[in-house]
Amino acid sequence: DQQVKQNSPSLSVQEGRISILNCDYTNSMFDYFLWYKKYPAEGPTFLISISSIKDKNEDGRFTVFLNKSAKHLSLHIVPSQPGDSAVYFCAASAGAKNNDMRFGAGTRLTVKP
Amino acid sequence: DAGITQSPRHKVTETGTPVTLRCHQTENHRYMYWYRQDPGHGLRLIHYSYGVKDTDKGEVSDGYSVSRSKTEDFLLTLESATSSQTSVYFCAISRDRGNYGYTFGSGTRLTVV
Repeated sequence: DQQVKQNSPSLSVQEGRISILNCDYTNSMFDYFLWYKKYPAEGPTFLISISSIKDKNEDGRFTVFLNKSAKHLSLHIVPSQPGDSAVYFCAASAGAKNNDMRFGAGTRLTVKP
Repeated sequence: DAGITQSPRHKVTETGTPVTLRCHQTENHRYMYWYRQDPGHGLRLIHYSYGVKDTDKGEVSDGYSVSRSKTEDFLLTLESATSSQTSVYFCAISRDRGNYGYTFGSGTRLTVV
């Protein structure tokens, strides 16, 4: 069962505009959420995370928003740059038992110059 | 990332043959993981290790075994490869059993013909 869902396989935005990547989850035990970025022929790299005790976490151009009641999180990239073009994975874990971190299927972001 | 390497990077093998993938880390991290990435599924956990000789199953462990005889090495073995095991395999490490972002290797692309 897909406990973490990224329903948009791809997203295309113009350079300088905002990119919004969405993620939904079904397991109410998840309390920690992460975003990873992946370039072709490389492994995913950790980007930003958020704990369920917060509803927003910001790191430079990247902000993650968490809506627990809707079981939804989103990653905002402002402003978007061509170098942000990559596949973005949403991931979730349930507390200390994070050895069972679940990933979404990924969203391919293309930022056009 | 120089702290984690996977070998081989690419492999083509025949159905029914055994295959071993190697993950080597120089970070002295306790936790190591094997994931597979498939289109539409994102990353799925195969097995993980929480110490030397301590391993456990993940979400998609059938047909795979692992071993960890040293802190730095985590081996994934396909006892008898099948075409359904054609995938990209990623190893990851983490410092502790907490909510930290994983560090991933660059992946091994395995094709079973």
